[in-house]
Amino acid sequence: QKEVEQDPGPLSVPEGAIVSLNCTYSNSAFQYFMWYRQYSRKGPELLMYTYSSGNKEDGRFTAQVDKSSKYISLFIRDSQPSDSATYLCAMSKTGNQFYFGTGTSLTVIP
Amino acid sequence: NAGVTQTPKFQVLKTGQSMTLQCAQDMNHNSMYWYRQDPGMGLRLIYYSASEGTTDKGEVPNGYNVSRLNKREFSLRLESAAPSQTSVYFCASSAGGGAGETQYFGPGTRLLVL
Repeated sequence: QKEVEQDPGPLSVPEGAIVSLNCTYSNSAFQYFMWYRQYSRKGPELLMYTYSSGNKEDGRFTAQVDKSSKYISLFIRDSQPSDSATYLCAMSKTGNQFYFGTGTSLTVIP
Repeated sequence: NAGVTQTPKFQVLKTGQSMTLQCAQDMNHNSMYWYRQDPGMGLRLIYYSASEGTTDKGEVPNGYNVSRLNKREFSLRLESAAPSQTSVYFCASSAGGGAGETQYFGPGTRLLVL
């Protein structure tokens, strides 16, 4: 069983839609949770970081962590064509070694 | 500010050949990482270096060696390449002062082993 599970999609939504991206995990020791965005043929870039449970908001992006369900989410409000990318979740026990999901491919249609 | 740079951008090898992937960062970061990214598998950690002079195995270290040459540079060596090592390799760095830090990724090296 993989440490982190993520639906690869692809996900296609109209501009302005609310997007929900999710990951589940099996290791209850994970306490650092991150979301990365990766454009085609580029390296990943950090979008959101959350420690332990709870919500975090940054502009149009909201990250949620539910440790009791071992489930994390990223919500994108008012999605834009520039949000079209692959979104990777990542998590860690110690903050040194991160386990990544396989990524969800998102296309926002103008 | 270049951030994290990787060379080469693309390489084709024959089975059994060796090569070294180079990575350098100009952010004065202490920690550096090597990942490989494969379809359906996501990013997997090969090796990391928490600080200059130290290296540790990650999730998939077999078939690879690393050298933390100095604070700026962290190289990944394939001694005898195999087709299973065909992948996109990413180097990353972080400040290294605490847990949960941002990792900054390079643009990647695409490696094809025939």
